[in-house]
This record gives sequence, structure tokens and C-alpha cells, in this order.
Amino acid sequence: DQQVKQNSPSLSVQEGRISILNCDYTNSMFDYFLWYKKYPAEGPTFLISISSIKDKNEDGRFTVFLNKSAKHLSLHIVPSQPGDSAVYFCAASAKVYGNKLVFGAGTILRVKS
Amino acid sequence: KAGVTQTPRYLIKTRGQQVTLSCSPISGHRSVSWYQQTPGQGLQFLFEYFSETQRNKGNFPGRFSGRQFSNSRSEMNVSTLELGDSALYLCASSPLEAGFQETQYFGPGTRLLVL
Repeated sequence: DQQVKQNSPSLSVQEGRISILNCDYTNSMFDYFLWYKKYPAEGPTFLISISSIKDKNEDGRFTVFLNKSAKHLSLHIVPSQPGDSAVYFCAASAKVYGNKLVFGAGTILRVKS
Repeated sequence: KAGVTQTPRYLIKTRGQQVTLSCSPISGHRSVSWYQQTPGQGLQFLFEYFSETQRNKGNFPGRFSGRQFSNSRSEMNVSTLELGDSALYLCASSPLEAGFQETQYFGPGTRLLVL
């Protein structure tokens, strides 16, 4: 069963505007969440993470919001740049599962100039 | 610091053969995890090694195995290759200084094609 879901396969945004990527999870044991960016034929690049004890974490243009009651997290990219065009993966882990990451299916972000 | 390196980057094998993939973690990182990425199943966890011991295993058949050496380098082996093993195999490392959950940093992957 898919424990981490990214329901939007793709998203198109104008350069300079905000990109919002969403992720839902079903397993309440998850307590650490990460976002990765991936280009074809390359490995995922770590962007930002958030622990379940927080509801927001910022790093430059990237902000992750966590809503534990809704089991939902989102990644905001402001302002969006053409170089942000890639596949974005949401991932989750739980202390009880050790260092194992469970990934969503990914969302393709296209930033138009 | 140099990132995670994986060799080879590309590999073509035929059904029934076996393959060994190699991963060198970021210097100082002690945990190495392996993932498989396919179009149908996405990114799936294979196993994790720490201090030369397998700490965690995903839901893959026994044909998939791995090991870790004293210098934290890791190898994974797939025996009796099947067409469905064609995938991008990704290695990730983390320092594991603070406990069990830390950010994992990925290598570029090995693209395996089974004919």
C-alpha cells in the first residue's frame, strides 16, 4: 500500500511565482519528512527536511510545512526559477523503521520563463 | 567533501547473470542504504548497512543481497537476473551521528539493463 502519496503528477508555474508541491501520508508512525529534487539519470538531491516536532522549516527559497493532524506536508518554492524544473519527491521515515525512507511517486515541476 | 560515488554508472546484462554494484559513501558517513527506482514501482528501499551489518531490509527477494566493508564502502549483488530487475539502483549515505534518522545523500545511481 502506498503510504506516501503525491497526487499531482505534474505542476506548471510561471517564473517568479510560487510553486506549491503537496504530499500526503497515511502512516502515523512517520516522524521525519524530506523533499528531494531529481533530474533524469541522476540521483535525488536533498532539498529540505522537517521533523514532526515542527510545523515549518525554511531554507532560502524553500519552505516545508507540516500538518500532522491532516497528515499532509507541502513544499513552497518562492520565487520559482527555470532551474527548479525537475521531479520532486517527498519521503518519510519513522524511528521504528530506522533509516528507511518511503518515497512518494514524485511531481514533475515545470517552471516557464 | 566528495559526494556519494557509484560504479559502474551503466551496465547491460542478460537474464540469469549476476551483477555487483559498488558504492562509496561520503567520507565519515557510516550508514549506506540502497534503493531501486523503476517507472512502475517508483523509489523502493532495498536495504541499509551500518558498521558492516545489515540493519534494515526492504521487501525484495533473496536474490538481492549486499554487504558493507570496514571503510563503509558497500556493494550490492543481484543474482539470477530477471528482466524486471532493469532499474536505476541508487545508493545513499548518512552520518548516523545523532541516531537513527538522518538525511540521506544520494549518489548518481547505476543504470542496469537486463536483456
